[in-house]
Amino acid sequence: ETGVTQSPTHLIKTRGQQVTLRCSSQSGHNTVSWYQQALGQGPQFIFQYYREEENGRGNFPPRFSGLQFPNYSSELNVNALELDDSALYLCASSPGTGWRDNEQFFGPGTRLTVL
Amino acid sequence: QQQVKQSPQSLIVQKGGISIINCAYENTAFDYFPWYQQFPGKGPALLIAIRPDVSEKKEGRFTISFNKSAKQFSLHIMDSQPGDSATYFCAASTGSSNTGKLIFGQGTTLQVKP
Repeated sequence: ETGVTQSPTHLIKTRGQQVTLRCSSQSGHNTVSWYQQALGQGPQFIFQYYREEENGRGNFPPRFSGLQFPNYSSELNVNALELDDSALYLCASSPGTGWRDNEQFFGPGTRLTVL
Repeated sequence: QQQVKQSPQSLIVQKGGISIINCAYENTAFDYFPWYQQFPGKGPALLIAIRPDVSEKKEGRFTISFNKSAKQFSLHIMDSQPGDSATYFCAASTGSSNTGKLIFGQGTTLQVKP
């Protein structure tokens, strides 16, 4: 069974640029959530995708957007990058929605640095 | 009301000792409480989780104690080992909702001395 994978591992961008991060969910999982983890902090929920539809969003501006594909892989897009966007971006997959499916398994993350 | 407060921020324990990390929450709608372990440069790994209808759950050396009336839960690591040195996060969510987004504590950095 393959776990959650993310690409790229590291990324350096400049302020104002756009970035796309990718995530492949664990086999059998149809729900993907994205989190932002600033240095020394706990992860913050960005949004969740369930069966290709956005299924909840945290307190992040619209320049954070996402997609989920029919194979349940997902992308996180961030436009007009700001210095504060520098963080570890984590993708987590789960078998579905509801508490019984609430076990979320995280990938290794993408370290984004905005200069 | 969405916060989960975690303490202590850092913890040093001798090998073989018991590590205890505490979390408190306000939102009584939370019904799923996991603990995650994170090593530097890695994503969080699910350790153990509990629902509010039980007061304790044990898996190997890891135990969650849950106090619903006090809105507190804690992680106990028995016989702590140097390999347990990592950052630990508690989290909470309303698992019965569609989103089930996890609200994380600030993290506790555990160092187990040989």
